[in-house]
Amino acid sequence: AQKVTQAQTEISVVEKEDVTLDCVYETRDTTYYLFWYKQPPSGELVFLIRRNSFDEQNEISGRYSWNFQKSTSSFNFTITASQVVDSAVYFCALSDLYKGGGKLIFGQGTELSVKP
Amino acid sequence: EAQVTQNPRYLITVTGKKLTVTCSQNMNHEYMSWYRQDPGLGLRQIYYSMNVEVTDKGDVPEGYKVSRKEKRNFPLILESPSPNQTSLYFCASRWGLAASTDTQYFGPGTRLTVL
Repeated sequence: AQKVTQAQTEISVVEKEDVTLDCVYETRDTTYYLFWYKQPPSGELVFLIRRNSFDEQNEISGRYSWNFQKSTSSFNFTITASQVVDSAVYFCALSDLYKGGGKLIFGQGTELSVKP
Repeated sequence: EAQVTQNPRYLITVTGKKLTVTCSQNMNHEYMSWYRQDPGLGLRQIYYSMNVEVTDKGDVPEGYKVSRKEKRNFPLILESPSPNQTSLYFCASRWGLAASTDTQYFGPGTRLTVL
């Protein structure tokens, strides 16, 4: 079955600390896409990154970086030098290209709290 | 500006009173979908549509209806809302399944409370 697990329900850090959010996925497909979304307290979903299953290169965007490892079915997200504005719920998601019209399967979310 | 809009953003209603949450996108996307978000469960797909007049059930369709009469609109209908439908609802749209187009755009969310 297609599944995404974010085992960390809540994480609390102090500003400027680095923090890694874990994401483990299960899929039967050889072609798939992985996503990270941010949900700030205002509630909207902000798209952060999309990664396809054939591209295992890690990606860095400013303070954000993503580590994709097919061997362990993980797609972890690291925030370097965290800031208060990073406080949000973060969702990892997997696309199901063959069911639900290509629906996204979401993890349970990790609530990150960055304290000043 | 490319966007997905939802209305209303907040709604408090009572059990059994029919309601409709509207969703509209201005990107000429073929694919539209509704999700609900509940604590500890992430987001789950309710219904989806691959094009005009083509709709199908997602993972949690009970108690919901949808229609797709025009490409841009995909309303979510609760014929007889119940308290277990209290949730945060998101509409989403996407062009298609091709690699370069598989980014899903989400609306701002509708927070529904059923008393």
